[in-house]
Amino acid sequence: AQSVAQPEDQVNVAEGNPLTVKCTYSVSGNPYLFWYVQYPNRGLQFLLKYITGDNLVKGSYGFEAEFNKSQTSFHLKKPSALVSDSALYFCAVSLSYNTDKLIFGTGTRLQVFP
Amino acid sequence: DGGITQSPKYLFRKEGQNVTLSCEQNLNHDAMYWYRQDPGQGLRLIYYSQIVNDFQKGDIAEGYSVSREKKESFPLTVTSAQKNPTAFYLCASTRKGRDSRPPLHFGNGTRLTVT
Repeated sequence: AQSVAQPEDQVNVAEGNPLTVKCTYSVSGNPYLFWYVQYPNRGLQFLLKYITGDNLVKGSYGFEAEFNKSQTSFHLKKPSALVSDSALYFCAVSLSYNTDKLIFGTGTRLQVFP
Repeated sequence: DGGITQSPKYLFRKEGQNVTLSCEQNLNHDAMYWYRQDPGQGLRLIYYSQIVNDFQKGDIAEGYSVSREKKESFPLTVTSAQKNPTAFYLCASTRKGRDSRPPLHFGNGTRLTVT
């Protein structure tokens, strides 16, 4: 069965330090991978996606993610965290043959301290 | 500006009552989705629709119903058969694009509390 795992419920980082939010996936076909961010009492906002090609994907607000097929991972990264990056982050995967079902991870709360 | 509007933002109902959540989009998107968000469980797909007058069950459709009579609108009814309806409900839409896989656009959600 397809699944997405975000092993950390919360990540704490000091402002200005690099951040990483982890995501691993388990699918039987070629995965399409996404990162979304959610601010309190709001919907999700798209950050970036991996479809094919370069394993390093750049997205909104200075975020990037690296697709690693051998480790089945798609970790979200940012070189220098901002307090305003504090939010709930979701990794999601859909299969190449199915355009409709997006499977979400349980979310990781990022807290950036000044 | 185009977007997705969910209303109301907060909804309170007594147990045993049906309730309908509104979702309207002016993005001219073909596909629309309903997700349920519970703390620590991520988002779970309730129903989705790729075209007017057609919709499919997601992973947790029991106790819910939808309609898609217009392209812009995809209302969700939470029926009395839903055993644990208190949750944050998110509506999303996307244009069709099988290979490019366009991202989902989300509304700001409706928080339903049933007592």
